[in-house]
Amino acid sequence: GENVEQHPSTLSVQEGDSAVIKCTYSDSASNYFPWYKQELGKGPQLIIDIRSNVGEKKDQRIAVTLNKTAKHFSLHITETQPEDSAVYFCAASIEADKLIFGTGTRLQVFP
Amino acid sequence: EAGVAQSPRYKIIEKRQSVAFWCNPISGHATLYWYQQILGQGPKLLIQFQNNGVVDDSQLPKDRFSAERLKGVDSTLKIQPAKLEDSAVYLCASSSIMGGGETQYFGPGTRLLVL
Repeated sequence: GENVEQHPSTLSVQEGDSAVIKCTYSDSASNYFPWYKQELGKGPQLIIDIRSNVGEKKDQRIAVTLNKTAKHFSLHITETQPEDSAVYFCAASIEADKLIFGTGTRLQVFP
Repeated sequence: EAGVAQSPRYKIIEKRQSVAFWCNPISGHATLYWYQQILGQGPKLLIQFQNNGVVDDSQLPKDRFSAERLKGVDSTLKIQPAKLEDSAVYLCASSSIMGGGETQYFGPGTRLLVL
């Protein structure tokens, strides 16, 4: 079955710097890759997603890139702010159905 | 639009006791998921419903876990008897259709501690 690896497990950046989180997946049939942000005591919230027919997608300060050949995708956050501090999860699935999540990255943005 | 509702938000029980969690998905969402999230890990799918039918329960420990979705709306997840390793956050999610690339929306979760 699908397996998703996520790195790093923790990431500390200064406010205004960029943050990059990377994930790899194993099942070449996966074609949907969402990123979720989870704040303390809350459920995961979708922040951006990408489908396999697209190589890059951007939404304001957040972007995701996908390399299907290498089976990896990355989340890029620019101009980080303290409110970006949270745990970020990548996931992979076929047609957004059964999501297989990575192990999470705890991002801390210091003022 | 109201989000996914879950209750209770917290539950503390002793091992071998039973517990039940409730989920009310976003109105009109046909697909409902239950995930288990152990501390420090990503959510893991337990069971998926399409309307009131089970689509995937391959990861559900059926000797102690059960779930139902009567009338294709609300759902309950039960654990009986609970074990220490069941301590986790139980997340409910819903989406408007299955397998169509639709976003899964998560509820706040129920935090279970088994002593």
